[in-house]
Amino acid sequence: GQNIDQPTEMTATEGAIVQINCTYQTSGFNGLFWYQQHAGEAPTFLSYNVLDGLEEKGRFSSFLSRSKGYSYLLLKELQMKDSASYLCAVNPSNTGKLIFGQGTTLQVKP
Amino acid sequence: SAVISQKPSRDICQRGTSLTIQCQVDSQVTMMFWYRQQPGQSLTLIATANQGSEATYESGFVIDKFPISRPNLTFSTLTVSNMSPEDSSIYLCSVGPSGNIQYFGAGTRLSVL
Repeated sequence: GQNIDQPTEMTATEGAIVQINCTYQTSGFNGLFWYQQHAGEAPTFLSYNVLDGLEEKGRFSSFLSRSKGYSYLLLKELQMKDSASYLCAVNPSNTGKLIFGQGTTLQVKP
Repeated sequence: SAVISQKPSRDICQRGTSLTIQCQVDSQVTMMFWYRQQPGQSLTLIATANQGSEATYESGFVIDKFPISRPNLTFSTLTVSNMSPEDSSIYLCSVGPSGNIQYFGAGTRLSVL
C-alpha cells in the first residue's frame, strides 16, 4: 500500500524556525512535493525534491532522504501569514498522480 | 505555472441532483487531475482526465458517480451525480503543464442538503 505520515498539528512562535517531517512508504518514487494550503484556498506549490539533499528557496527549505523514506520542510523566520496547512505528497510513478499525506496544520503565534 | 479557472466556486445542492464542475487552463497541458478534499481532510485523487478518451479512476471512484470529460488539452469537467450529503466536499482540479509539478485550481465547495 501507499502511506504518507505527517504530524497533524504544530505550533511555533513568530520569528522562530519550524521543521515539519514527512515519512513515506510507496510502491515507487518519482519525487516528493510540499504544498501550502491556507484555509479556504487551493494548495500552492512550495518545493519539489527528487534527489537526496536539501533544496533551499528563500525562507523555505526541503530535505529528502530516499533511503529513509523521509523528508522535512523547514520554515525560517516564521511570519503570522505562514499559519496554514502543509501537505506532503509523493509521486509514486511516472503517471503524474500524487498521493497526499493528511497535512500538518501550523499555527504561528506572536 | 498555469492559470486555472474553476467554476462554480461554490454551490449548495439538493440530494439526488447532479452538479458539473468546469476546469479551464490558460495553456495546453498534458495532465489534468480531479481531487476531492473532504472536511478537515487532505486531498484524495478521484481520476486522471485523459484527453480524447475515458478517464482513469482511482480505487473507490466510479464513472457512473463521477463522469469526467476532457475534450481538449485546456478544458475538463467533473460531474458529481445523484448527490448525497456524503458528497459534500471541496473538489479541485490540478494540471501538470511541465515536469512533475502540479498546480491547483481554487476548488469548488459543494454542500449537499
